[in-house]
Amino acid sequence: GAGVSQTPSNKVTEKGKYVELRCDPISGHTALYWYRQSLGQGPEFLIYFQGTGAADDSGLPNDRFFAVRPEGSVSTLKIQRTERGDSAVYLCASSRGDSSGNTIYFGEGSWLTVV
Amino acid sequence: GENVEQHPSTLSVQEGDSAVIKCTYSDSASNYFPWYKQELGKRPQLIIDIRSNVGEKKDQRIAVTLNKTAKHFSLHITETQPEDSAVYFCAASPGGSYIPTFGRGTSLIVHP
Repeated sequence: GAGVSQTPSNKVTEKGKYVELRCDPISGHTALYWYRQSLGQGPEFLIYFQGTGAADDSGLPNDRFFAVRPEGSVSTLKIQRTERGDSAVYLCASSRGDSSGNTIYFGEGSWLTVV
Repeated sequence: GENVEQHPSTLSVQEGDSAVIKCTYSDSASNYFPWYKQELGKRPQLIIDIRSNVGEKKDQRIAVTLNKTAKHFSLHITETQPEDSAVYFCAASPGGSYIPTFGRGTSLIVHP
Protein backbone atom coordinates (compact mmCIF):
# COMPACT_ATOMS: atom_id res chain seq x y z
CA GLY A 1 0.00 0.00 0.00
CA ALA A 2 0.93 3.65 -0.18
CA GLY A 3 1.55 3.97 3.53
CA VAL A 4 1.26 2.22 6.86
CA SER A 5 -2.39 1.54 7.60
CA GLN A 6 -3.78 1.02 11.10
CA THR A 7 -7.20 -0.04 12.28
CA PRO A 8 -9.21 0.89 14.19
CA SER A 9 -8.36 4.57 14.27
CA ASN A 10 -10.23 4.92 17.56
CA LYS A 11 -11.21 2.32 20.13
CA VAL A 12 -13.04 2.84 23.41
CA THR A 13 -13.16 -0.21 25.65
CA GLU A 14 -14.09 -1.03 29.19
CA LYS A 15 -11.49 -1.88 31.80
CA GLY A 16 -10.76 -5.58 31.79
CA LYS A 17 -11.71 -6.16 28.15
CA TYR A 18 -9.49 -7.56 25.40
CA VAL A 19 -8.50 -5.46 22.37
CA GLU A 20 -6.73 -6.07 19.09
CA LEU A 21 -5.05 -3.38 17.02
CA ARG A 22 -4.07 -4.08 13.43
CA CYS A 23 -1.21 -2.76 11.32
CA ASP A 24 -0.66 -3.17 7.58
CA PRO A 25 2.89 -2.02 6.73
CA ILE A 26 4.24 -0.52 3.53
CA SER A 27 4.48 -3.23 0.88
CA GLY A 28 7.90 -4.85 0.85
CA HIS A 29 8.97 -3.56 4.25
CA THR A 30 10.37 -6.43 6.29
CA ALA A 31 10.72 -4.54 9.56
CA LEU A 32 7.68 -3.58 11.62
CA TYR A 33 7.55 -1.68 14.89
CA TRP A 34 4.94 -0.95 17.51
CA TYR A 35 5.28 2.18 19.62
CA ARG A 36 3.01 3.71 22.24
CA GLN A 37 2.59 7.46 22.62
CA SER A 38 1.01 9.11 25.63
CA LEU A 39 -0.08 12.75 25.64
CA GLY A 40 2.91 15.08 25.62
CA GLN A 41 5.44 12.27 25.25
CA GLY A 42 7.57 10.83 22.50
CA PRO A 43 6.87 7.42 20.95
CA GLU A 44 7.85 4.64 23.37
CA PHE A 45 9.16 1.41 21.82
CA LEU A 46 7.14 -1.76 22.39
CA ILE A 47 8.20 -4.46 19.93
CA TYR A 48 10.12 -4.93 16.68
CA PHE A 49 9.57 -7.61 14.04
CA GLN A 50 12.00 -8.61 11.33
CA GLY A 51 9.93 -10.77 9.03
CA THR A 52 7.66 -13.06 11.02
CA GLY A 53 9.69 -13.16 14.20
CA ALA A 54 9.79 -10.73 17.09
CA ALA A 55 13.41 -9.66 17.02
CA ASP A 56 13.04 -7.49 20.13
CA ASP A 57 10.06 -7.39 22.49
CA SER A 58 11.88 -5.71 25.35
CA GLY A 59 9.53 -2.72 25.34
CA LEU A 60 6.33 -4.66 26.09
CA PRO A 61 5.31 -3.42 29.56
CA ASN A 62 3.99 -6.75 30.88
CA ASP A 63 2.53 -10.08 29.81
CA ARG A 64 -0.87 -8.54 29.05
CA PHE A 65 0.67 -7.24 25.82
CA PHE A 66 1.41 -9.54 22.91
CA ALA A 67 1.96 -9.04 19.18
CA VAL A 68 2.06 -11.34 16.18
CA ARG A 69 3.03 -11.11 12.53
CA PRO A 70 2.32 -14.61 11.23
CA GLU A 71 2.99 -14.05 7.52
CA GLY A 72 5.59 -11.32 7.73
CA SER A 73 3.22 -8.57 6.66
CA VAL A 74 0.17 -7.58 8.75
CA SER A 75 0.71 -7.42 12.49
CA THR A 76 -1.74 -7.46 15.37
CA LEU A 77 -1.07 -6.00 18.82
CA LYS A 78 -3.15 -7.73 21.47
CA ILE A 79 -3.87 -6.33 24.91
CA GLN A 80 -5.56 -8.50 27.52
CA ARG A 81 -7.38 -7.33 30.64
CA THR A 82 -7.04 -3.69 29.66
CA GLU A 83 -6.34 -1.09 32.33
CA ARG A 84 -6.99 2.67 32.29
CA GLY A 85 -3.23 3.23 32.13
CA ASP A 86 -3.17 1.50 28.74
CA SER A 87 -4.97 4.50 27.23
CA ALA A 88 -2.65 5.98 24.59
CA VAL A 89 -2.04 6.19 20.87
CA TYR A 90 -0.56 2.98 19.54
CA LEU A 91 1.66 3.73 16.56
CA CYS A 92 2.81 1.17 14.05
CA ALA A 93 5.78 1.83 11.77
CA SER A 94 7.64 -0.06 9.09
CA SER A 95 11.00 0.14 7.35
CA ARG A 96 13.05 -1.71 4.76
CA GLY A 97 14.90 -3.27 7.65
CA ASP A 98 18.30 -3.45 6.00
CA SER A 99 21.64 -1.84 6.76
CA SER A 100 21.33 0.68 3.94
CA GLY A 101 19.06 2.80 5.99
CA ASN A 102 16.53 2.65 8.73
CA THR A 103 13.99 5.33 8.07
CA ILE A 104 10.79 4.24 9.74
CA TYR A 105 7.40 5.36 8.45
CA PHE A 106 4.53 5.68 10.88
CA GLY A 107 0.86 4.99 10.51
CA GLU A 108 -1.79 7.38 11.80
CA GLY A 109 -2.13 5.40 15.00
CA SER A 110 -4.90 3.72 16.93
CA TRP A 111 -6.26 5.86 19.75
CA LEU A 112 -7.15 3.52 22.61
CA THR A 113 -9.27 4.77 25.50
CA VAL A 114 -9.93 2.44 28.42
CA VAL A 115 -12.85 3.57 30.60
CA GLY B 1 19.82 0.83 26.18
CA GLU B 2 19.81 4.16 24.38
CA ASN B 3 18.61 7.30 26.18
CA VAL B 4 17.72 10.46 24.24
CA GLU B 5 17.26 13.82 25.95
CA GLN B 6 15.60 16.68 24.06
CA HIS B 7 15.45 20.39 24.87
CA PRO B 8 13.59 22.66 25.09
CA SER B 9 10.18 21.10 25.68
CA THR B 10 8.49 24.24 24.34
CA LEU B 11 9.87 26.86 21.95
CA SER B 12 8.01 30.02 20.99
CA VAL B 13 9.36 32.24 18.17
CA GLN B 14 8.20 35.02 15.91
CA GLU B 15 7.66 34.32 12.24
CA GLY B 16 10.93 34.75 10.38
CA ASP B 17 13.11 33.94 13.38
CA SER B 18 15.30 30.84 13.63
CA ALA B 19 14.56 27.90 15.91
CA VAL B 20 17.05 25.41 17.34
CA ILE B 21 16.19 22.14 19.06
CA LYS B 22 18.92 20.12 20.76
CA CYS B 23 19.24 16.44 21.59
CA THR B 24 21.80 14.28 23.33
CA TYR B 25 22.15 10.52 23.20
CA SER B 26 23.95 8.00 25.36
CA ASP B 27 24.84 5.02 23.16
CA SER B 28 28.03 5.58 21.17
CA ALA B 29 26.89 2.79 18.82
CA SER B 30 24.03 4.96 17.52
CA ASN B 31 24.69 5.90 13.91
CA TYR B 32 21.38 7.16 12.53
CA PHE B 33 19.57 10.27 13.76
CA PRO B 34 16.17 11.14 12.27
CA TRP B 35 13.92 14.09 13.07
CA TYR B 36 10.14 13.83 12.90
CA LYS B 37 7.44 16.50 12.80
CA GLN B 38 4.05 15.69 14.31
CA GLU B 39 1.03 17.91 13.84
CA LEU B 40 -1.89 17.61 16.24
CA GLY B 41 -3.68 14.30 15.79
CA LYS B 42 -1.42 13.24 12.93
CA ARG B 43 1.34 10.71 12.44
CA PRO B 44 5.01 11.63 13.03
CA GLN B 45 6.58 12.39 9.65
CA LEU B 46 10.28 12.33 8.84
CA ILE B 47 11.61 15.76 7.91
CA ILE B 48 15.36 15.18 7.84
CA ASP B 49 17.92 12.63 9.01
CA ILE B 50 21.67 12.35 9.40
CA ARG B 51 24.08 9.45 9.62
CA SER B 52 27.17 9.29 11.78
CA ASN B 53 29.59 9.67 8.88
CA VAL B 54 28.28 13.19 8.19
CA GLY B 55 28.54 16.29 10.40
CA GLU B 56 25.85 18.44 8.83
CA LYS B 57 22.97 18.12 6.38
CA LYS B 58 20.71 20.80 4.94
CA ASP B 59 17.38 20.72 3.15
CA GLN B 60 16.03 24.15 2.26
CA ARG B 61 15.13 25.87 5.56
CA ILE B 62 16.05 22.98 7.81
CA ALA B 63 19.45 21.64 8.79
CA VAL B 64 20.76 19.09 11.23
CA THR B 65 24.20 19.00 12.84
CA LEU B 66 25.86 16.09 14.61
CA ASN B 67 28.73 16.08 17.09
CA LYS B 68 29.63 12.44 17.65
CA THR B 69 32.30 13.20 20.23
CA ALA B 70 29.88 15.08 22.44
CA LYS B 71 26.91 12.87 21.47
CA HIS B 72 24.88 15.95 20.52
CA PHE B 73 22.72 16.62 17.50
CA SER B 74 20.55 19.61 16.70
CA LEU B 75 17.77 20.71 14.36
CA HIS B 76 17.90 24.21 12.92
CA ILE B 77 14.93 25.84 11.23
CA THR B 78 15.50 29.21 9.57
CA GLU B 79 12.91 31.78 8.45
CA THR B 80 10.21 30.06 10.49
CA GLN B 81 6.63 30.15 9.24
CA PRO B 82 3.35 29.55 11.12
CA GLU B 83 2.99 26.20 9.36
CA ASP B 84 6.20 25.06 11.07
CA SER B 85 4.21 24.99 14.33
CA ALA B 86 4.14 21.36 15.48
CA VAL B 87 5.85 18.95 17.86
CA TYR B 88 9.32 17.87 16.74
CA PHE B 89 10.95 14.63 17.88
CA CYS B 90 14.57 13.62 17.60
CA ALA B 91 15.61 9.97 17.64
CA ALA B 92 18.77 7.90 17.76
CA SER B 93 19.16 4.43 16.31
CA PRO B 94 22.03 2.03 16.96
CA GLY B 95 23.16 0.38 13.77
CA GLY B 96 22.80 -3.14 15.07
CA SER B 97 19.26 -2.93 16.44
CA TYR B 98 17.57 -0.59 13.94
CA ILE B 99 15.23 0.48 16.75
CA PRO B 100 14.99 4.28 17.08
CA THR B 101 14.72 5.71 20.59
CA PHE B 102 12.80 8.98 20.65
CA GLY B 103 13.16 12.15 22.68
CA ARG B 104 10.17 13.59 24.53
CA GLY B 105 9.49 16.20 21.88
CA THR B 106 9.62 19.96 21.46
CA SER B 107 6.45 21.93 20.87
CA LEU B 108 7.36 24.71 18.42
CA ILE B 109 5.00 27.66 18.22
CA VAL B 110 5.57 30.20 15.46
CA HIS B 111 3.65 33.44 16.00
CA PRO B 112 2.59 35.35 12.86
